[in-house]
Amino acid sequence: DTEVTQTPKHLVMGMTNKKSLKCEQHMGHRAMYWYKQKAKKPPELMFVYSYEKLSINESVPSRFSPECPNSSLLNLHLHALQPEDSALYLCASSRYIRTEAFFGQGTRLTVV
Amino acid sequence: GQQLNQSPQSMFIQEGEDVSMNCTSSSIFNTWLWYKQDPGEGPVLLIALYKAGELTSNGRLTAQFGITRKDSFLNISASIPSDVGIYFCAGQRATGGTSYGKLTFGQGTILTVHP
Repeated sequence: DTEVTQTPKHLVMGMTNKKSLKCEQHMGHRAMYWYKQKAKKPPELMFVYSYEKLSINESVPSRFSPECPNSSLLNLHLHALQPEDSALYLCASSRYIRTEAFFGQGTRLTVV
Repeated sequence: GQQLNQSPQSMFIQEGEDVSMNCTSSSIFNTWLWYKQDPGEGPVLLIALYKAGELTSNGRLTAQFGITRKDSFLNISASIPSDVGIYFCAGQRATGGTSYGKLTFGQGTILTVHP
C-alpha cells in the first residue's frame, strides 16, 4: 500500500476565509511534505516534517500554517490567501527524510 | 539553488514508438527518481535509482543512474496512449546541509502519444 490520501480534492475559498487541507498516510512513514504546484510546472517544496517535527520551511508566507498532529496526519491551515495562491497542493510521505516520496492526488485550490 | 535540466520539454510520438528522456545536473545526487503525472492528479513514482550505474526496469520503463551521479535517463518502449502525461525526474541528496532530503525536480517532459 503506497497510498497518501488528501482531502478535499477541490476547494474554493475567499480571501478572508480560513480553511484547512488534510493529508493522511498509514504506511508508517516518518517524513511528510507539502508541495505547491502551478500548471505544467514541477512541484515546489513548502514544508517538511520529520518525526512530527517541522524540519524545513522553504520561506513560505505565514498565511500557510502546517501542523502535524501525529505520525499519520498532516494539515495545512490556510488564512487570508491571495488569488495567486491558487494551485494544486500536494502532500507526500516517505519512510525517512532521505528516501523516495509518494504523493497524494492533490487538492486543487482556487482563491477568489 | 540546484537545477536539473530535463529534456526534451515535450514529445509528440506515434503509438508503438520508443521514448527517451533525460536529466542532467551540475551537482551530484544520491538518489534519482522518475515520476509520471496525469492532469489534475499527483505525481506517481515510476522508478527509484540508488546507485551510480544502476539500471532498473519497471515493465516497459527502463531508467539508469549515471556513473557521474549527475544524470539519469528514462526510456519507454512500445508507447501506448495511456503513457500520455508529464514525466518528472527528481534528484535527492542524502548528505547534510540545507539540501538534505530535498527533492530537486526537473521541469518535466510532456508526452503526447498519437494512436
